[in-house]
Amino acid sequence: AQTIHQWPVAEIKAVGSPLSLGCTIKGKSSPNLYWYWQATGGTLQQLFYSITVGQVESVVQLNLSASRPKDDQFILSTEKLLLSHSGFYLCAWSPIDTQYFGPGTRLLVL
Amino acid sequence: GDQVEQSPSALSLHEGTGSALRCNFTTTMRAVQWFQQNSRGSLINLFYLASGTKENGRLKSTFNSKESYSTLHIRDAQLEDSGTYFCAAEGGNTGKLIFGLGTTLQVQP
Repeated sequence: AQTIHQWPVAEIKAVGSPLSLGCTIKGKSSPNLYWYWQATGGTLQQLFYSITVGQVESVVQLNLSASRPKDDQFILSTEKLLLSHSGFYLCAWSPIDTQYFGPGTRLLVL
Repeated sequence: GDQVEQSPSALSLHEGTGSALRCNFTTTMRAVQWFQQNSRGSLINLFYLASGTKENGRLKSTFNSKESYSTLHIRDAQLEDSGTYFCAAEGGNTGKLIFGLGTTLQVQP
């Protein structure tokens, strides 16, 4: 069975500090991978997607970047956090159609 | 741009009753997914539809791509059904999902 893991579970960071969030999918080779952001009380917005290693497409950047260094790993990062980056970050994977979401990382930027 | 209009924004049901949630799409969508987000934030997959109707227990969903809408029916609501329900539509073949604003459902005893 496939499992999706995100780390860290939660972070409190200062404005202007760097950030790196990780997502790993196990049990599935060459999955499509996605990053989403959800403001508190809001809806989900797709940020990035990746079909293969080393390839990432931006949907909405929000001063963030993403990379896929390994087949099973998707990284979301920024060198300088903004207050507006606070929220809930979810990674998702799909074999073909249906997208399955990870448990998410809560980020608070102060 | 492509939009997903979800209604109602909030819904309160008594246990044992039912209702329907609806999403309208401003453009032709290839497929729709329905999710329940629980209090921890986890998104639970309910349905994926490219067309037609699917049923799972007390839930039933329909996707009409020609008329650009999808519905989620909940019957015999239980307390554990409380949460926020999202529809998400897929327009192209890149896996871009456009989410509705969600329906917050509260089931009361």
